[in-house]
Amino acid sequence: QKEVEQDPGPLSVPEGAIVSLNCTYSNSAFQYFMWYRQYSRKGPELLMYTYSSGNKEDGRFTAQVDKSSKYISLFIRDSQPSDSATYLCAMIRNTGGFKTIFGAGTRLFVKA
Amino acid sequence: EAQVTQNPRYLITVTGKKLTVTCSQNMNHEYMSWYRQDPGLGLRQIYYSMNVEVTDKGDVPEGYKVSRKEKRNFPLILESPSPNQTSLYFCASSKPGVLYNEQFFGPGTRLTVL
Repeated sequence: QKEVEQDPGPLSVPEGAIVSLNCTYSNSAFQYFMWYRQYSRKGPELLMYTYSSGNKEDGRFTAQVDKSSKYISLFIRDSQPSDSATYLCAMIRNTGGFKTIFGAGTRLFVKA
Repeated sequence: EAQVTQNPRYLITVTGKKLTVTCSQNMNHEYMSWYRQDPGLGLRQIYYSMNVEVTDKGDVPEGYKVSRKEKRNFPLILESPSPNQTSLYFCASSKPGVLYNEQFFGPGTRLTVL
C-alpha cells in the first residue's frame, strides 16, 4: 500500500465548476501538507501548504486537512480553463529525516 | 531571476555509460532534492540534502549518487544507468524552517536509457 493515495483521474469539469481533489495517507508522522500544480512539460509549483488540521483559503483555492481521518483536499472555486493541469498532493514526514512523499497526481481538465 | 536550472534537459544514453545531471539554484537555499516522475507513480524522492556535505536517501536511492560540495549545486550521478532509470527527473530547492515545504522545481531532465 502506498503511503499517499491520490486518484489519478482524469477529471473533466465545465468552466465555473467547483473542483474537489483529494488524497489519503496512512502515516501519522506526516507533518506538512502541500498541493502543487504541474502544467504539461513544466516542473511542479507550490499552490498551498498547511501544517495543521482545518481549512486554509487563498483566492479561489481552499486546502483542507483532516488529520484524524488522514485525508486532505483541495477545492477550486469558479474553475477556469487555465486551471487545467495535474495537481499533486505532497506531505513531509520528519521521522528518519525530512522526506517528501507525493501523491500520483490528478489530471484536471476545465472545459470552456 | 530566481530559479533552479538543470542540464541537460534531454538525454538519451546506453546501459552502463556513466552520466551526471547537474542542478544549480541561485536562491541561496539550504535544502535541495532530486525526484523522478513516472506515469502512475507521481514524484518519488531519490536523495535530498539539508546543507553542504549533508545528504540523505529518499525513497528510491538505488542506482543513484549525489554530492553537495557547494550550496548552489547538487548533481545527480548515475554510475551505471539501466533502462529502469528511464524517467523524468526534477531537482528542487527550498529554504529551511517552515519553508521546507515550499520547494522550487527545475524544468526537468528527460532521460532515456537504451
